[in-house]
Amino acid sequence: QVQLVESGGGVVRPGRSLRLACAASGFTFSNYAIHWVRQAPGRGLEWVASISYDGSNKHYADSVKDRFTISRDNSKSTLFLQMSTLTPEDTAVYYCAREDLRRFRYWGQGTLVTVSS
Amino acid sequence: SYVLTQPPSVSVAPGQTARITCGGNNIGSKSVHWYQQKPGQAPVLVVYDDSGRPSGIPERFSGSNSGNTATLTISRPEAGDEADYYCQIWDSRTGQCVFGSGTKVTVL
Repeated sequence: QVQLVESGGGVVRPGRSLRLACAASGFTFSNYAIHWVRQAPGRGLEWVASISYDGSNKHYADSVKDRFTISRDNSKSTLFLQMSTLTPEDTAVYYCAREDLRRFRYWGQGTLVTVSS
Repeated sequence: SYVLTQPPSVSVAPGQTARITCGGNNIGSKSVHWYQQKPGQAPVLVVYDDSGRPSGIPERFSGSNSGNTATLTISRPEAGDEADYYCQIWDSRTGQCVFGSGTKVTVL
């Protein structure tokens, strides 16, 4: 079955960097675009970034553009999110989600990132 | 950027019908997807492409979309349907995905 497992979350100080990973299994990873979606505590869902099936096309939310970088390693069925210059507003649960025709049928369980001094 | 507007909360009595709206400029021209999220869990897709229902989703969940409003309807909701619900579209102009602000559904 399709599985997405995020890792790499934790507590980080403002201004520092963190890299998240999303390990995929149960499907042909290289055939699908994958996205990052986050949810701040007590808040709604916020789309963060997307990457095409082959990594050639990337899009970012305005709130993270120039600070976050999405990438993928199809040989390892793994998605990454490199986050830099973190602020407390980046505190959230980060989900990876597989795109199926502009919608998300499969989600990971999320990894919590806390930005605090 | 494109904005999707949802009411913060909707309350419904058992046996009645819950309608959750999602407003956006000419949203009827876009495909709208709906997600259910319970506390501590990842979102679950309950309606896709305005009115499609993924396998495993009960028939009491349905959707419609026209003009400036998309609607998720829950017929005869059950206690287990209490959750936050989010609409989502793809903004082809910017290449960005957009979520609505979310609606908390309470079954009285």
